[in-house]
Amino acid sequence: GAGVSQSPSNKVTEKGKDVELRCDPISGHTALYWYRQSLGQGLEFLIYFQGNSAPDKSGLPSDRFSAERTGGSVSTLTIQRTQQEDSAVYLCASSFAFTEAFFGQGTRLTVV
Amino acid sequence: AQSVTQLGSHVSVSEGALVLLRCNYSSSVPPYLFWYVQYPNQGLQLLLKYTSAATLVKGINGFEAEFKKSETSFHLTKPSAHMSDAAEYFCAVSEGQGGKLIFGQGTELSVKP
Repeated sequence: GAGVSQSPSNKVTEKGKDVELRCDPISGHTALYWYRQSLGQGLEFLIYFQGNSAPDKSGLPSDRFSAERTGGSVSTLTIQRTQQEDSAVYLCASSFAFTEAFFGQGTRLTVV
Repeated sequence: AQSVTQLGSHVSVSEGALVLLRCNYSSSVPPYLFWYVQYPNQGLQLLLKYTSAATLVKGINGFEAEFKKSETSFHLTKPSAHMSDAAEYFCAVSEGQGGKLIFGQGTELSVKP
């Protein structure tokens, strides 16, 4: 596709349920990032994949959060046992090698 | 550790007036610096970046920023604000062009007619 695609664009889930958020990066981009944007915390780095290297998971807030990137392309961010404080916009970005990152439009997650 | 501080969570200017959005950074290595803009319900769009070449960087939509190492600043300016500039602006730092970005808290720019 022409840009980074994220799905779903909106997700409402009940507290305690698991959710999966998907990111399709720009074709050929080697790096993929997940960020979380919330009112109280601004833009927080979550996880970073670069090629075949081990991902940088230093931003994941708890062990309920995990992400994988299959085949060096599509990525899925999984949040287990969702809590209300997980409500936020989750942004994905990709870049080619060491160039600037391009962002998707985000998934708005609401935990009720 | 790297960090970014944006002074002013909200800035309001009149149409045609100068826009100045402030950003100060902290980095133990030569930084790469970025300004991104976010329109309502949109993702982030890169305005401009500093990558250790020229200290005055020109970006899209008439914006520019100047890297001042002595002041650890990377302020964003535009000579004449337009209504379409109303958005949220984020300053970010990374250790490399492709490394993870550390963002400031953002500055919401309002433009009055």
